[in-house]
Amino acid sequence: KAGVTQTPRYLIKTRGQQVTLSCSPISGHRSVSWYQQTPGQGLQFLFEYFSETQRNKGNFPGRFSGRQFSNSRSEMNVSTLELGDSALYLCASSPGDSGQPQHFGDGTRLSIL
Amino acid sequence: EDKVVQSPLSLVVHEGDTVTLNCSYEVTNFRSLLWYKQEKKAPTFLFMLTSSGIEKKSGRLSSILDKKELFSILNITATQTGDSAIYLCAGGPSGTYKYIFGTGTRLKVLA
Repeated sequence: KAGVTQTPRYLIKTRGQQVTLSCSPISGHRSVSWYQQTPGQGLQFLFEYFSETQRNKGNFPGRFSGRQFSNSRSEMNVSTLELGDSALYLCASSPGDSGQPQHFGDGTRLSIL
Repeated sequence: EDKVVQSPLSLVVHEGDTVTLNCSYEVTNFRSLLWYKQEKKAPTFLFMLTSSGIEKKSGRLSSILDKKELFSILNITATQTGDSAIYLCAGGPSGTYKYIFGTGTRLKVLA
């Protein structure tokens, strides 16, 4: 069974640009969550999607948004990039029942110049 | 505010040693605590704990949850260099995947 797939693996952008990251969950998983990982803050929850609806949201500004498609694939968008957005962005999928653990992809490393 | 605190922040041991990693949590409507191992890429799932006092084991790794004192420990016996990684714990509220992660314990095992 294929794992969680995130693309691209690396991205370099400049301040003010926008970026879209993609996540394909494990087959059959309907929940997709996004996290930002930085050395100082660790993993911080961005949002979770289930059946194309945002089910939970973390404490990030509105520049961070996401969506989920009918095949459960998800995208995350960050607009007006800031230097502080440089991080590893991780996607995790699960069947949808919070009694099941999440499984992570390898992440997208975003660098802002 | 919900939070998860891990200790120690880092640890250096020699092969064959036994280590204990700590995780304390304050999570509203707590349901489960998860442990992950992160090397260079994706955190890989180790354990999910929901019941107090029941030890979960996988090879040389084991973990237990104390819901009264709000903490969990992860034990690794007979450590190997391949155990070198960051170990993350996360607390999850009921009915949601809005997990709160600790900043991790960085374990280095020397040959």
